Amino acid sequence: DTAVSQTPKYLVTQMGNDKSIKCEQNLGHDTMYWYKQDSKKFLKIMFSYNNKELIINETVPNRFSPKSPDKAHLNLHINSLELGDSAVYFCASSRTEETQYFGPGTRLLVL
Amino acid sequence: QKEVEQNSGPLSVPEGAIASLNCTYSDRVSQSFFWYRQYSGKSPELIMSIYSNGDKEDGRFTAQLNKASQYVSLLIRDSQPSDSATYLCAVNPSGTYKYIFGTGTRLKVLA
Repeated sequence: DTAVSQTPKYLVTQMGNDKSIKCEQNLGHDTMYWYKQDSKKFLKIMFSYNNKELIINETVPNRFSPKSPDKAHLNLHINSLELGDSAVYFCASSRTEETQYFGPGTRLLVL
Repeated sequence: QKEVEQNSGPLSVPEGAIASLNCTYSDRVSQSFFWYRQYSGKSPELIMSIYSNGDKEDGRFTAQLNKASQYVSLLIRDSQPSDSATYLCAVNPSGTYKYIFGTGTRLKVLA
């Protein structure tokens, strides 16, 4: 049973395209997150939702739009993809402010 | 000044030795501290969490927290080649969901 799952695992696309990444957790957690890990392995928070409400919105271009249809799902839509968006995107979840559990990651390559 | 700092390494230790990983943080009100291990191409997985000053042991791992000096460390006893990975320190300032990660220390355990 996968605790935090993400689809797709790999995403290769052209500049200017729009793409979405989906995340689901079956841990019953209240809070979900999106992180970006760049080529230098730095893991930086992008967004956080608590009970479907946006609580953290870091300085991310507005081409990135998260959406949480329910507590178990958090999706990330990216418009007009740019070369610099190439990275690994991790979804995570936690019960309140406790330990986070990460999904397997989505490797995005923008050509 | 970076909010969470770690030496990027690589830190090389022989098999069976103690590996010592250090992390300093800048926000004095931080209350929750975490060590994650990340193998190449995989997602971060939690090793230890620590909330109070002092030591916390779990098997071969010991986390040490000193809030006055603003550092947290991870000791790995009897290091094994399978411990070779990047170790990420994460800090959660009190009352927020904004986990801040260090850039990670790459550990190499030599057989």
